[in-house]
Amino acid sequence: GENVEQHPSTLSVQEGDSAVIKCTYSDSASNYFPWYKQELGKRPQLIIDIRSNVGEKKDQRIAVTLNKTAKHFSLHITETQPEDSAVYFCAASRKKADSWGKLQFGAGTQVVVTP
Amino acid sequence: DAGVTQSPTHLIKTRGQHVTLRCSPISGHKSVSWYQQVLGQGPQFIFQYYEKEERGRGNFPDRFSARQFPNYSSELNVNALLLGDSALYLCASSLVGLGNTIYFGEGSWLTVV
Repeated sequence: GENVEQHPSTLSVQEGDSAVIKCTYSDSASNYFPWYKQELGKRPQLIIDIRSNVGEKKDQRIAVTLNKTAKHFSLHITETQPEDSAVYFCAASRKKADSWGKLQFGAGTQVVVTP
Repeated sequence: DAGVTQSPTHLIKTRGQHVTLRCSPISGHKSVSWYQQVLGQGPQFIFQYYEKEERGRGNFPDRFSARQFPNYSSELNVNALLLGDSALYLCASSLVGLGNTIYFGEGSWLTVV
């Protein structure tokens, strides 16, 4: 089955600096890669996603890049703000009738933005 | 519009008991999935249902079961509770098909004592 590894497990950055989180996946059939942000005691919320026919996607301060050959994808947050502090999860899903609703999550990255 | 709603939000059960968790998807969403999130870990896929049929199952024992109703709401049942079942149980809904955003509910916090 799919295995998603996420690094680092914790990330401390100064406000205004950039944060980068990296994930690798094992299943070459995976072709949908969402990123979720989860604040303490809250539900995971989608912040950005990318499909395998796209190499990069950007939404304001957040960008995601995908390298299908190397089977890795990354989340980039620029100009970090204290409200970016949360746990971030990457995930992967396969384009198959029995698998598209199954997200395989990474272990998460605790991001702390210090003022 | 209401998001994914789950009930109850918190509950405490004793080992060996049974629990039922409920989920109402976003209006128009026919797919419902269940995830277990143990503290400090990422969510783990348990089940996916759409059109009232099980479409996917994760690596969970038969003590875990679920169903989907004609109105697309769903319930997750766990029998013979173990201490290790203590977790946040998340329900998610989406439109049918790959690449549709999967929206999560606030979850049900289950503590087994």
